[in-house]
Amino acid sequence: GDSVTQMEGPVTLSEEAFLTINCTYTATGYPSLFWYVQYPGEGLQLLLKATKADDKGSNKGFEATYRKETTSFHLEKGSVQVSDSAVYFCALSDMMGNQFYFGTGTSLTVIP
Amino acid sequence: EPEVTQTPSHQVTQMGQEVILRCVPISNHLYFYWYRQILGQKVEFLVSFYNNEISEKSEIFDDQFSVERPDGSNFTLKIRSTKLEDSAMYFCASTGIQETQYFGPGTRLLVL
Repeated sequence: GDSVTQMEGPVTLSEEAFLTINCTYTATGYPSLFWYVQYPGEGLQLLLKATKADDKGSNKGFEATYRKETTSFHLEKGSVQVSDSAVYFCALSDMMGNQFYFGTGTSLTVIP
Repeated sequence: EPEVTQTPSHQVTQMGQEVILRCVPISNHLYFYWYRQILGQKVEFLVSFYNNEISEKSEIFDDQFSVERPDGSNFTLKIRSTKLEDSAMYFCASTGIQETQYFGPGTRLLVL
């Protein structure tokens, strides 16, 4: 079945460092891919998405490119801030859009 | 910006009691979902709901669980007889024609 495998954390970075959180997926057909962010004590917020191969999703300095050849959707940011400290979830939506499959989440802590 | 709301934000209950978690999806959305997140674990799909019936459910969603859309705005998750292992954060989500799911802030359920 469909699934998402996400880089395990926790990840600790210094402010202004480069961030990569790896995400690979297994799916039949052509899923849509998402990154959600969960700040402490809050719910899930959509960070960015891509709906077809080679699409790049971007928001708040974060980027991820839908790579069908490597079945990946890695999250990147060139210069992280303390306010980026959160848990990041990679997710895919099956072709019918009925169900989301989430990765295990990667906790990011950015220190000043 | 429209958002999904959930009540209560926190609920503490005794094992064996019934609980009802409430959600108000975004008003023009058609598809509704419940997810749960046990502390420190991944977000797990429970059920999807469309056109007043369940469209898909996971194996977690057993006979103890039920969902209902009692009126035009609310979407509820009922757990008939709670168990200790039902303690989790429960997220409601909704989506319209676009497949992006918008999540509520969650209800933290603690079963004692």
